[in-house]
Amino acid sequence: EADIYQTPRYLVIGTGKKITLECSQTMGHDKMYWYQQDPGMELHLIHYSYGVNSTEKGDLSSESTVSRIRTEHFPLTLESARPSHTSQYLCASSDHWGTNYGYTFGSGTRLTVV
Amino acid sequence: AQSVTQPDIHITVSEGASLELRCNYSYGATPYLFWYVQSPGQGLQLLLKYFSGDTLVQGIKGFEAEFKRSQSSFNLRKPSVHWSDAAEYFCAVGDGNAGNMLTFGGGTRLMVKP
Repeated sequence: EADIYQTPRYLVIGTGKKITLECSQTMGHDKMYWYQQDPGMELHLIHYSYGVNSTEKGDLSSESTVSRIRTEHFPLTLESARPSHTSQYLCASSDHWGTNYGYTFGSGTRLTVV
Repeated sequence: AQSVTQPDIHITVSEGASLELRCNYSYGATPYLFWYVQSPGQGLQLLLKYFSGDTLVQGIKGFEAEFKRSQSSFNLRKPSVHWSDAAEYFCAVGDGNAGNMLTFGGGTRLMVKP
């Protein structure tokens, strides 16, 4: 039973379009993350948030932007999609440090820009 | 800064054979260690984690991992592999001093021969 939801699961879109990838979690976690992952490859952190109105860029430079207006919602936006943005995007959330700590991941959005 | 190395990019084992996936970490204090599994086109699922205490940790799907401080390792094992175990496996280390961020290894792709 997923506690973190990503929509859409798959998206094929034309170059130049604006897109928003949705990520919502029902666990009340403060911390949320976006990773970019090419098939069979490592994870690259592109954005993270430690709470409402907090957003930071990750290790991998990305042309996307994020917002955190509500605790449960952490959408990622591409203003003008390009073929180089084709990838899988994974959203995750985590609780405060403690024995329950660990990331919970969504199922991902596979984006193809044509 | 913490780091995680998974020396094996690909591993192939026969169904029913035992499995060991290697993970080495670099971290100054006692690490929080995790193993995640990713099936094709899916997000990451937590297999097990180590925070403290018994160095042999049991996880889901019959997996276990052993923390060896002297070797800076946290290898994942399974006594008998099933075809459904074919997936990508990621080791991660947590740093409580860096905003609880996890650092992921590059992943190991497990293939299972019938």
